[in-house]
Amino acid sequence: DAGITQSPRHKVTETGTPVTLRCHQTENHRYMYWYRQDPGHGLRLIHYSYGVKDTDKGEVSDGYSVSRSKTEDFLLTLESATSSQTSVYFCAIREGKGSYEQYFGPGTRLTVT
Amino acid sequence: KNEVEQSPQNLTAQEGEFITINCSYSVGISALHWLQQHPGGGIVSLFMLSSGKKKHGRLIATINIQEKHSSLHITASHPRDSAVYICAGRNTGNQFYFGTGTSLTVIP
Repeated sequence: DAGITQSPRHKVTETGTPVTLRCHQTENHRYMYWYRQDPGHGLRLIHYSYGVKDTDKGEVSDGYSVSRSKTEDFLLTLESATSSQTSVYFCAIREGKGSYEQYFGPGTRLTVT
Repeated sequence: KNEVEQSPQNLTAQEGEFITINCSYSVGISALHWLQQHPGGGIVSLFMLSSGKKKHGRLIATINIQEKHSSLHITASHPRDSAVYICAGRNTGNQFYFGTGTSLTVIP
C-alpha cells in the first residue's frame, strides 16, 4: 500500500469556522490531489499540486485553498466552512515520470453543521 | 453532463457469475484508470491502461481508445468482490474525469 495518510479522519465543525485537512505521503511522489466525493457525483477535483509550492485549481475549487510547503504534505483549507462542504475528502498521490496511476488516502469525513 | 459515464449504476450477481462493467467517455483521454471502493470507503487502484487489455487474477480490463470505451470484467465472481467500481479518464494534462461508479453486490 502506498504510504498516504489523512488527518483528521472524521471532523464535525460549525458553519463559518476554518478547517484544515492534512494529507501526508511517504512515497516522495510529485503530484498530490484533493478530491471530494458526494452522492450522485463522481470524485471531483478541488485542487492539485505538481510540486512544492506549485498548485492549480480543479473544477470545484471555490471556497477552498491549498498549500504545499514540503513534498510530503498537502493541506486543504476551508476558510469559512459551509454546509455545502459537508463531504468525504480524499487525497491522492501520483508519482509522475510517465506514471499516471493514482493512490488514494483513506478519506476524511467532514460534517459542517 | 458527465464526461465519463458508467453502466450499469447498480449490479447484483450470483456468486460465480461473469460480470461486466462498462465505461464510456466523451472527451479525449490518454489513459483510463479502474478503481475499487470498498464498503468501508477506501479506494484501491486496479488498473491503469491506455490500450489493449490487462489482467490481474480474476479481473480483466480492456480499452478501445477509438470507440472511447472500456470494460472491466470479473470472472467467477465472489461476495468479496462486492464494492463500487469507478473508472476515471486522464486528460493530456494532470487531471482525471471520474465516473459516478457501479455498485456491485455478489450474493452467495
